[in-house]
Amino acid sequence: EAGVTQFPSHSVIEKGQTVTLRCDPISGHDNLYWYRRVMGKEIKFLLHFVKESKQDESGMPNNRFLAERTGGTYSTLKVQPAELEDSGVYFCASSQGVSETQYFGPGTRLLVL
Amino acid sequence: AQSVTQPDIHITVSEGASLELRCNYSYGATPYLFWYVQSPGQGLQLLLKYFSGDTLVQGIKGFEAEFKRSQSSFNLRKPSVHWSDAAEYFCAAFIGGTASKLTFGTGTRLQVTL
Repeated sequence: EAGVTQFPSHSVIEKGQTVTLRCDPISGHDNLYWYRRVMGKEIKFLLHFVKESKQDESGMPNNRFLAERTGGTYSTLKVQPAELEDSGVYFCASSQGVSETQYFGPGTRLLVL
Repeated sequence: AQSVTQPDIHITVSEGASLELRCNYSYGATPYLFWYVQSPGQGLQLLLKYFSGDTLVQGIKGFEAEFKRSQSSFNLRKPSVHWSDAAEYFCAAFIGGTASKLTFGTGTRLQVTL
């Protein structure tokens, strides 16, 4: 069974540009989560989808971040416009049930110059 | 506020030595507890989890963790460390139900000397 996949693995962009990250959860997992680790800090929650609905977006830092999960399958996280402080590793995770183990993807390493 | 604390930022052990990584949590109720590992260039891999029941939990790669309610701790242990265990280890927790977002500790980086 394929795990959680994320694309791209790395992205280097300039301040002010737009970047879109993609996450494909494990097949059949209704719950999808985005997390972020900024350099030197702990991994922090961004948001949680149940199917195509946003269950909890309390961790989204500001309105430059837009997450979607059309059709309840893969999800995208768009940063527009990107700022220097957005640099970090963005992780996606999925789980079958809402109180079940979350399985993580390899992460996308974003560097904003 | 809910929090997870890993007091040790960096630990160095010799190959073959035993290992204990500390994790403390602060929650109103007992959370679900997890240990994840991130090897260089890799994503987060689940080592083990505690939901309920037996307080000594076995995981992959020879790791185990013990839940101690009285100490609000969930320490990770391994009897004999291998060089391939060098990685960053994260303790994490959530309450469950609608509050299923994970709260992570800051991570402990393990270095293994030969």
